[in-house]
This record gives sequence, C-alpha cells and structure tokens, in this order.
Amino acid sequence: SQQGEEDPQALSIQEGENATMNCSYKTSINNLQWYRQNSGRGLVHLILIRSNEREKHSGRLRVTLDTSKKSSSLLITASRAADTASYFCATPGSSNTGKLIFGQGTTLQVKP
Amino acid sequence: DADVTQTPRNRITKTGKRIMLECSQTKGHDRMYWYRQDPGLGLRLIYYSFDVKDINKGEISDGYSVSRQAQAKFSLSLESAIPNQTALYFCATSDGKRGPGEQFFGPGTRLTVL
Repeated sequence: SQQGEEDPQALSIQEGENATMNCSYKTSINNLQWYRQNSGRGLVHLILIRSNEREKHSGRLRVTLDTSKKSSSLLITASRAADTASYFCATPGSSNTGKLIFGQGTTLQVKP
Repeated sequence: DADVTQTPRNRITKTGKRIMLECSQTKGHDRMYWYRQDPGLGLRLIYYSFDVKDINKGEISDGYSVSRQAQAKFSLSLESAIPNQTALYFCATSDGKRGPGEQFFGPGTRLTVL
C-alpha cells in the first residue's frame, strides 16, 4: 500500500519560476525523505527531514513538514531546465525497520 | 566508479525463462533492497536484506526470489518470467547503523518479458 501520495502528479512551469510539490502520508513517521529521478535513471536522495523539524533547506530546495496534517512540501526556487525530473517522497515502513515506502511521484517539467 | 551497480542494464526475455538480475555495491552498507517501478505506480519493494543472513519479503514478492551472496551482492531472480513482470528494477543500499535514512540507488535494469 502507498504511504505517501504526491500532488500534483504533473507540473509544468517556466524556467525561473518556483515549483511546489506536496506529499501526504498516513501513519506516524520519524522522518520523511525526498528523492529525484531523471528519466529512466536511479533515484537520487535530495533531503531528509526529521519529525521534530518543521523546515529544512538545501540550496534551492526547501522542505516543510507538518506532522499534525501528515503532509510535507518540496519547494524548488528559481527552477532550471535541469530540474526537469520526477520527484518522490518516501517515508519509513512500519516498525521503522529501514524500509522506505515511496509515493507515486510528481513529474516536473521546466521549460527553458 | 558507481557505488551501486546493476547488471544487466537492459534485458529482453520470453515468458517462462529464468532471469537473474545482479546488484553489487562498494559502499560497505549492510542493507540492500530490490524495487520495481511501473508507470504511475512509483516504486514498490520486492525484497530487502538487512544482512547476509536476513532476507525479508516486501510488498510484491510473489514470482521473485533473492540471494544475498555476500554483504556486497544481492541478486533478484524471476524463476519463470511473465509479461506483467516487465518493469524497471532498482537495487538500493543503506547504512543500517544510521537508522531509517538515505538509500542509494543503482542505475536500474529495464526488463521486458515477451
């Protein structure tokens, strides 16, 4: 079963604009991760936010976590064509065993 | 050199054939995972292994088996391939000492079953 669900499923913006993707999850977590996947390639870890954190930054990325709403958002500022990819949130599986459960992803297209 | 490698990168096979996908890692991680990715379904966990003697089923293990030959090697087998196993397969690793953290992915194997 899917733990995380991303919204929107697809997003198309112009270079320079900001892109916001949202993730909702169902059970309590101790961290949430975001990954990026370029077409047909392996996933690359972007950022991990712990349950006691509300916001985290990494370069042009800003991630927020609202545990009361069981949701997270990923903001990419000043987007570039190279940001075109699919973005996935992932949460630990049950019992925090190290397993990750991935959402279905948001496909982002940044037009030059 | 890539830390997590997968072979083959592409494979086309016929229904009923036995297929093995291999994964090797040089990261020294104890935990390894196999996922499949289908369009619109994200990644789904097939099997995972927390060390050489610890192998566990994921959410979609039917039709698959695995072997952890060494800490660095984790193979996925399809004993009798069927067309709905056509998918992109990813191996991943993580460091169990750091808890449920970042996973490192291989480049993927694109498998087509005719």
